[in-house]
Amino acid sequence: SQQGEEDPQALSIQEGENATMNCSYKTSINNLQWYRQNSGRGLVHLILIRSNEREKHSGRLRVTLDTSKKSSSLLITASRAADTASYFCATLAGGTSYGKLTFGQGTILTVHP
Amino acid sequence: DGGITQSPKYLFRKEGQNVTLSCEQNLNHDAMYWYRQDPGQGLRLIYYSQIVNDFQKGDIAEGYSVSREKKESFPLTVTSAQKNPTAFYLCASSTPFGGRALQDTQYFGPGTRLLVL
Repeated sequence: SQQGEEDPQALSIQEGENATMNCSYKTSINNLQWYRQNSGRGLVHLILIRSNEREKHSGRLRVTLDTSKKSSSLLITASRAADTASYFCATLAGGTSYGKLTFGQGTILTVHP
Repeated sequence: DGGITQSPKYLFRKEGQNVTLSCEQNLNHDAMYWYRQDPGQGLRLIYYSQIVNDFQKGDIAEGYSVSREKKESFPLTVTSAQKNPTAFYLCASSTPFGGRALQDTQYFGPGTRLLVL
């Protein structure tokens, strides 16, 4: 079953604007990860946040995690046309054997030049 | 140049035919995974393997089989029992939990698109 639910399903913005994507999950987690997928390609890992962390930054990416609400958000600042892709959250359930991630259905981001 | 390779890029299956998708990694990762992705959907786990000669069913294993005879290789066979095989198949690998590298981050191959004739 898909634990992660992402919102919105699609997001269209202009270059230079910020993009925010949200992910909700149902059970306790060990960590939450965000991946990016360009059309017809494999996924690329962006950032990982552990259950005891609240916020993490990597370049233009900022991820927050609220375990009380079982939700996370990914913020891409100053977006570029090259950021156009699908973005997926994935959770590693608490107590799970390593690596068995559960993926959400993704947010399709389109950045117009 | 380290990474994960998948072949072929496109694969066509006839009715009643078994087909095998290749996945090779030179990252020295213990764990490997197979996912299925349908249009506009997320990834669903088919099978995963934490170590050579061992593998576990994921959420949608019916109609698929795997083997893990070597650390570097994790081929997936789509059998004739899989009635709706048309999808994009992704292979991934990861470091073992507790390792020095970023734990549980998965590294993905470029994918194989399977189509039914």
